[in-house]
Amino acid sequence: GAVVSQHPSWVICKSGTSVKIECRSLDFQATTMFWYRQFPKQSLMLMATSNEGSKATYEQGVEKDKFLINHASLTLSTLTVTSAHPEDSSFYICSARKDSNQPQHFGDGTRLSIL
Amino acid sequence: AQTVTQSQPEMSVQEAETVTLSCTYDTSESDYYLFWYKQPPSRQMILVIRQEAYKQQNATENRFSVNFQKAAKSFSLKISDSQLGDAAMYFCAYSRIQGGKLIFGQGTELSVKP
Repeated sequence: GAVVSQHPSWVICKSGTSVKIECRSLDFQATTMFWYRQFPKQSLMLMATSNEGSKATYEQGVEKDKFLINHASLTLSTLTVTSAHPEDSSFYICSARKDSNQPQHFGDGTRLSIL
Repeated sequence: AQTVTQSQPEMSVQEAETVTLSCTYDTSESDYYLFWYKQPPSRQMILVIRQEAYKQQNATENRFSVNFQKAAKSFSLKISDSQLGDAAMYFCAYSRIQGGKLIFGQGTELSVKP
């Protein structure tokens, strides 16, 4: 149980385009979803916390207008990287949690490459 | 603010041997969760073990066990009978009890020699 699906797993696009990444909890309802960014050989950096039906809470230094997060249902959150540039290239991982007493379950991540 | 520190960037162990990964943390909370996550080359994050701070008994999960020293704020992971499939990046993490976000350490890259 507690499966989180993230799509796409790898995306390559041109600079200036917008990219949407989906995170779905397949067998549970996730009241909270999280979005992380990870550079090679580094730890996960939390970008934002997303609660269903409310605005995401962004970490300091993360641009809200650059990284749009929508958590429209208890099983789906999306991260849209708007007007992506090469410096946005990274590995993005989502996680989902049923409630505050449950551990986070992670998606398989999305490798984003901006040319 | 809470912090998590993993002071061993890399560790190596012989297959079938035992290895211990270190983790220390800082918090003013009395109750919290501690975790070890494994990230293999596929980059999938896998929960290895979870410890609740108010439980004195050390958590175990098959070949994985922790040594939780609350007063010392230490949370080490012991892997017994190491297998080639244990090779991965291991992250120690902390979260508060209610609504807590995960705070990760820097990670320890474990290699297993055949």
